[in-house]
Amino acid sequence: QVRLQESGPGLLKPSETLSLSCTVSGGSISPYYWSWIRQSPGKGLEWIGYISYSGITNYNPSLQSRVTMSVDTSNNHFSLNLSDVTAADTAVYYCARRKTNTYFFDYWGQGTLVTVSS
Amino acid sequence: DIQMTQSPSTLSASVGDRVTITCRASQSVSRWLAWYQQKPGKAPKLLIYDASSLESGVPSRFSGSGSETEFTLTISSLQPDDFATYYCQQSNSLTFGPGTKVDVK
Repeated sequence: QVRLQESGPGLLKPSETLSLSCTVSGGSISPYYWSWIRQSPGKGLEWIGYISYSGITNYNPSLQSRVTMSVDTSNNHFSLNLSDVTAADTAVYYCARRKTNTYFFDYWGQGTLVTVSS
Repeated sequence: DIQMTQSPSTLSASVGDRVTITCRASQSVSRWLAWYQQKPGKAPKLLIYDASSLESGVPSRFSGSGSETEFTLTISSLQPDDFATYYCQQSNSLTFGPGTKVDVK
């Protein structure tokens, strides 16, 4: 059974960079695409972007200027960096796997709450 | 960007009821739409993809239909485990609907 687990700081100050990692177990990073999705009370579920096992990326245009994703196939994990955070970036952040041949998400991590506050 | 709406925003129902939730897209998404179930404190769970394909392991009381701009999720006989919030998602710009909460009548 594929499992995803997010990790990273839960509290950031405005202007800092959010850095999260997602470790995949029970399956391989290859040959899938991996996403980050966040959920906040104000904006609901929001897709942040995805990265393939080979490093191909696609980011939400509304966040593109601040987002970077990377993948480490040898250690079966992928990462998210979101720069210059504000209170509006406070959310539960999920990592998820894109279902083969679709743009939908079949495996999700449990989510990690990130709060941005001074 | 394609905008998604769902109706109703809240639905009160009883065990055994037939429940229908509607999702509308601001422009055609063909059949590239999915439905998810989310319970409090948990990640969303994929139920239906490509408008009507049942994800493996999902009970057959869940079904999806529709195309282009209008889609429905139907639960044929609501079970206690089905009280949750349901979201649609389209694959063009990967946007989600605002959700429909199914609660106890």
